[in-house]
Order: sequence, then structure tokens, then C-alpha cells
Amino acid sequence: TQLLEQSPQFLSIQEGENLTVYCNSSSVFSSLQWYRQEPGEGPVLLVTVVTGGEVKKLKRLTFQFGDARKDSSLHITAAQPGDTGLYLCAGERSGGSNYKLTFGKGTLLTVNP
Amino acid sequence: SQTIHQWPATLVQPVGSPLSLECTVEGTSNPNLYWYRQAAGRGLQLLFYSVGIGQISSEVPQNLSASRPQDRQFILSSKKLLLSDSGFYLCAWSGGGMSFFGQGTRLTVV
Repeated sequence: TQLLEQSPQFLSIQEGENLTVYCNSSSVFSSLQWYRQEPGEGPVLLVTVVTGGEVKKLKRLTFQFGDARKDSSLHITAAQPGDTGLYLCAGERSGGSNYKLTFGKGTLLTVNP
Repeated sequence: SQTIHQWPATLVQPVGSPLSLECTVEGTSNPNLYWYRQAAGRGLQLLFYSVGIGQISSEVPQNLSASRPQDRQFILSSKKLLLSDSGFYLCAWSGGGMSFFGQGTRLTVV
């Protein structure tokens, strides 16, 4: 059972366009994390959201945690080729143990110059 | 600052040979440690996690095993590799609601 569904799986856009990727679940998470991964490297943490309805901004990236803490979105404004990569969301189950994260399958983003 | 080291970066091994991948963490004590496998650049599958020395939990039945001989050392092993063990293996540690990954090991079993 895939607990975290990411959409779209693949996204190819032109430089300067805006985009949104989604991470949805029927389960409640105590926190949700977004990572970006480049080929041949490990994922790098972008942000952690913990409060329902929370919005965090990181330069051109805006992250939102759903009110019910079951879903999240990542919006990128004016995408650049350097934004290309695999974007992964991961949820930590309620309880705060942080023993295990559940990962989505990722959104592979390509930004063309 | 905390850092995580994982090696080797790439590995080509024949079927039936043993495997040992090592991961060490610096700058933190008693971390939660994890081994993940990633297929074809997609999502991560949790293989093992450890909350302390000698404490290993396995998430999926498989041909691999893990050990934690020291607080900041986590080892992934196999006695006899299978073709299906090929993949990208990632070590990670977590703390404070965040997870940090090593650079990964690309394992190809031939």
C-alpha cells in the first residue's frame, strides 16, 4: 500500500514557468518533509512542516501542509534549470518517534532552458 | 556540524559474492540510523532502521542484513548477492524531525 501519493510523476517545463507538485495521503502525519535529489546523490532536505495549514517559503519555493495534516504541496515560482531534480515528500507518523519515514515515489522535474 | 559518510560510491559485484556497505555519522550521538534502497531514481524503500547499538529492525524480508556495532556505525551486509540486489543504497540518520542522507552506493550485481 502506497501511503503517500505524489503527482505528477514526471514534469517537464520551460524556464520561467510556475509549477506545483502534490503529496497526498489518507493517513495523518505528525510532520512532512520535502527533499530534492540529484542523480547519483542522496536526497537533501528542503523543509519540514509540522503544523496543519502551515506555509513555509524558501526563496522561490513555497511549501504548504494541509489543515488535516494528510497532504502537502510544493509550488515553485519562475522555475530555473537548477531546479531540475527528483522531489520527494516523506511523512513521519504521529507519535514523534521519527523512527520511520514513509516516502512518496517522487516527482521528476525537468526545467528546460 | 553533523555529517554522514557512506562508502563505497559505486560497487560491481558478481552474483553469490558477499557484500559490506559501511555508514558512519559524525557530530551527533545515539542517532536513529536507516538503510534505504532506491530503484530507478524513484521512491525510497526502508530496509532497516536502528535506534541503538545492536538494535536492528527489518522492514522487508530479503537477502540482506544490517548491524550496528558502534553508536555511529551502521553496516549493510549480504552473504551471497543476488541479481535483484542491484540498486542505489542510501544510509541516513534522523534527529530533530529531520533526516540526513549519505551520498549513496550504486551496487550492480553481475
